[in-house]
Parts: sequence; structure tokens; C-alpha cells
Amino acid sequence: QVHLVQSGAEVKKPGASVKVSCKISGYTLTEISIHWVRQAPTKGLEWLGGFDPEDDEMIYAQNFQGRLTMTEDTSTETAYMELTGLKFEDTAVYYCAADFPARGGLDPWGQGTLVSVSS
Amino acid sequence: ETVLTQSPATLSLSPGERATLSCRASQTVSSSYLGWYQQKHGQAPRLLIYGTSSRAAGVPDRFRGSGSGTDFTLTISRLEPEDFAVYYCQQYGHSPWTFGQGTRVEIK
Repeated sequence: QVHLVQSGAEVKKPGASVKVSCKISGYTLTEISIHWVRQAPTKGLEWLGGFDPEDDEMIYAQNFQGRLTMTEDTSTETAYMELTGLKFEDTAVYYCAADFPARGGLDPWGQGTLVSVSS
Repeated sequence: ETVLTQSPATLSLSPGERATLSCRASQTVSSSYLGWYQQKHGQAPRLLIYGTSSRAAGVPDRFRGSGSGTDFTLTISRLEPEDFAVYYCQQYGHSPWTFGQGTRVEIK
């Protein structure tokens, strides 16, 4: 059974960067793909990106103009999401979630990491 | 990008009633790549349905997904108290993946 544990809440100033981690247990990063989704306060879910095993590359949402980078460390089975040039509107809960290629859909999810951007 | 439009925005029903949630895509989505999620307040989303109609592990059989092409439906046959939540559809067949804006199922 796969289990995802994310790093703790962050408070950042506008223009700063944040890096959120997602530690995987129960499976390896060669068996599942990790995707990232965020949810601004009182808003819906926004897919940010994740690993596409068919093309062996990260795929990203279009809205971030190079501010978003996702990486994986297979030695520690940890995925990372880094967002640079933070804006007030980046305040959200950031989730990692697992995609099993043979199934589709995202499940399970990490517990979420609140990133607050405040001056 | 594939836009998913969910309707209605809010559904007010009583326990025991049937809920029908709609998800319409701006372009054809393969049936293999449409999912539904449930999110309760303060919790991470939970996958209910993948591949349009397959229930995820542990999901009760009162949840049923259907549809094809651009029109998809999640039906909850008889609402239980724990089913009152927000539901999202998602397509993962076209990059970028996208979510609908959600349907809130509330107690009438």
C-alpha cells in the first residue's frame, strides 16, 4: 500500500521560492508517477504537473511560465515540487498524489502542505 | 486545454435520495481517462471512479460512473450522511490534465 507524506507548512514572502517534498513508501518511483495539485482557499483543485512515464518526462500546467519544477530522488523515494517567484495568489494547499499507470487517476494523496505567501 | 464544466454547482438533497452529477468536456475524452473525486472539508481528495466507470478500492457500489465522448455522469444511488461533500471530475487523457470546478452536494 502506497503512503505519501509531505513536508510541513511554509510562509514565504513575494518573490521567494518554496520547495515541497513528498516522501513515498510502499512503492517506488519506478512503479508509480507522482503528480502535484494545489487548492487555493475556498477554491477548486488545480493540476500543476507530474511525471509522464510514456514520454519519460515531467509535464506541467501551462500557467506557470517556467516558475514550476518537479524533480524526483529515487535514492530516497522522494518527489519535490519547487515554485519560484512566489505571488500572493500562490497561497494554497499543495498536494502530491500517486498515479498508477495500469489504473489511472490519482490516489492516494499526501496530507497537503499549506504554502502562505505574505509580505 | 480540455475544459471540464460540472453541473450543477450545488445539489441540495436529503439522505436516501439519488444524486446525479454532470461533467461536460470541451473536447472528446477517452473513457479510459476520466475520473471522479470526493473531497470533504479539510481533507485531501479521494479517488472514487477511474476510467469513467471503475470504482477505486473500497468505494461503495452506490457510486456509479458512466458516460462517453464529452458527457460523463457520477450517480450516487442513495445518499448516505457521509456522502455530503464536494465532487470533482478530472480528465487525464490530454495534457495538461484538468479538473472540473466541482459540485457541492449538501443536505437539504
